[in-house]
Amino acid sequence: GQQVMQIPQYQHVQEGEDFTTYCNSSTTLSNIQWYKQRPGGHPVFLIQLVKSGEVKKQKRLTFQFGEAKKNSSLHITATQTTDVGTYFCAGPLYNFNKFYFGSGTKLNVKP
Amino acid sequence: ETGVTQSPTHLIKTRGQQVTLRCSSQSGHNTVSWYQQALGQGPQFIFQYYREEENGRGNFPPRFSGLQFPNYSSELNVNALELDDSALYLCASSLGRGLGENIQYFGAGTRLSVL
Repeated sequence: GQQVMQIPQYQHVQEGEDFTTYCNSSTTLSNIQWYKQRPGGHPVFLIQLVKSGEVKKQKRLTFQFGEAKKNSSLHITATQTTDVGTYFCAGPLYNFNKFYFGSGTKLNVKP
Repeated sequence: ETGVTQSPTHLIKTRGQQVTLRCSSQSGHNTVSWYQQALGQGPQFIFQYYREEENGRGNFPPRFSGLQFPNYSSELNVNALELDDSALYLCASSLGRGLGENIQYFGAGTRLSVL
């Protein structure tokens, strides 16, 4: 069945270092979304990518959608302690009747 | 805040019992999805309701059922509870199902413990 995997599972960085998480789907996604879940919280929407090869930036965050629409990445430049949390990629199948979340990458930032 | 509210926040049940979880969608949203999130894992899609009809379902047995009401609020019912059903249950509403409409706005979740 459909699987959305993310690597790494955990990442510990020193504040100021960069961070990247990679997302891979076993099937093509119509679009991909990224969410952040703070410890004890619920997932919060960050961004949506729709087009093959699309790149979007939000301040220190850069999101990419792969050419085959089966993989994506999130890169954070110069991490801050406020970046702590688990980052999930997610997306629906083309008929929009199922929504899959990745396994998540848990980011810890040491001050 | 997303405007999505869930109740109760915490619940303790025993194996074999039944439970009903409730969700109030964000105003203007006609689609609601339910997810199960076990500790340390990503949310697992249970099902989605669009305009009161089940629109899609993940790999969950029939004892997981749902309802969506005319005001687009929703319920998740779980029968014959098992220990593995212990998890955070998240409700997410969206503007619709299609591209540009399916951004998920999550509630704070219901933490269910099955003893």
